[in-house]
Amino acid sequence: KAGVTQTPRYLIKTRGQQVTLSCSPISGHRSVSWYQQTPGQGLQFLFEYFSETQRNKGNFPGRFSGRQFSNSRSEMNVSTLELGDSALYLCASSSTGGSDTQYFGPGTRLTVL
Amino acid sequence: AQSVTQPDIHITVSEGASLELRCNYSYGATPYLFWYVQSPGQGLQLLLKYFSGDTLVQGIKGFEAEFKRSQSSFNLRKPSVHWSDAAEYFCAVVPRGGNEKLTFGTGTRLTIIP
Repeated sequence: KAGVTQTPRYLIKTRGQQVTLSCSPISGHRSVSWYQQTPGQGLQFLFEYFSETQRNKGNFPGRFSGRQFSNSRSEMNVSTLELGDSALYLCASSSTGGSDTQYFGPGTRLTVL
Repeated sequence: AQSVTQPDIHITVSEGASLELRCNYSYGATPYLFWYVQSPGQGLQLLLKYFSGDTLVQGIKGFEAEFKRSQSSFNLRKPSVHWSDAAEYFCAVVPRGGNEKLTFGTGTRLTIIP
């Protein structure tokens, strides 16, 4: 089975712009979760989607949003980028979410200038 | 407050030596427990997990972890490290009974010296 794929792998944006990141889960997985990883805050949960519905949400401002399509692929959008949004954004998929094992993609490295 | 703690930010071990990485949690009920590893420039890979039963859990790459309820700990061990084990290691939990999101510790960076 192919693993979790994320596109693009690297992005450079400027403050005020918006960005969309994409995640393709492992075939058959219906849960997709997103995480932000920074040196200062570590790994933080953004949100989880299951069967096209947001099932869980972390403590991030409304500028961070996501969606999931019927084929379980997910996108994450960040509007009005700030310098502090520079991070590695990781996507993980699992069969059902919750305590089910999550498989991570390689991440998208976002740099905001 | 609910939390998962990795007390050691950075550990240096000689190749061939044994390794123990510490993880403590603070939750009302024992959460589901995980150890992940992240190599430079990579995503996270699951090493092992504990849900219930035998308190000594075997994982991939020769790692094992022991759950100790009395100490609220889930420490990761390896008898003999290899240079390829240099990476960052994360302990993570999923609380039982609602709001089941994966929460990570701050990570321990492992350096291997020859």
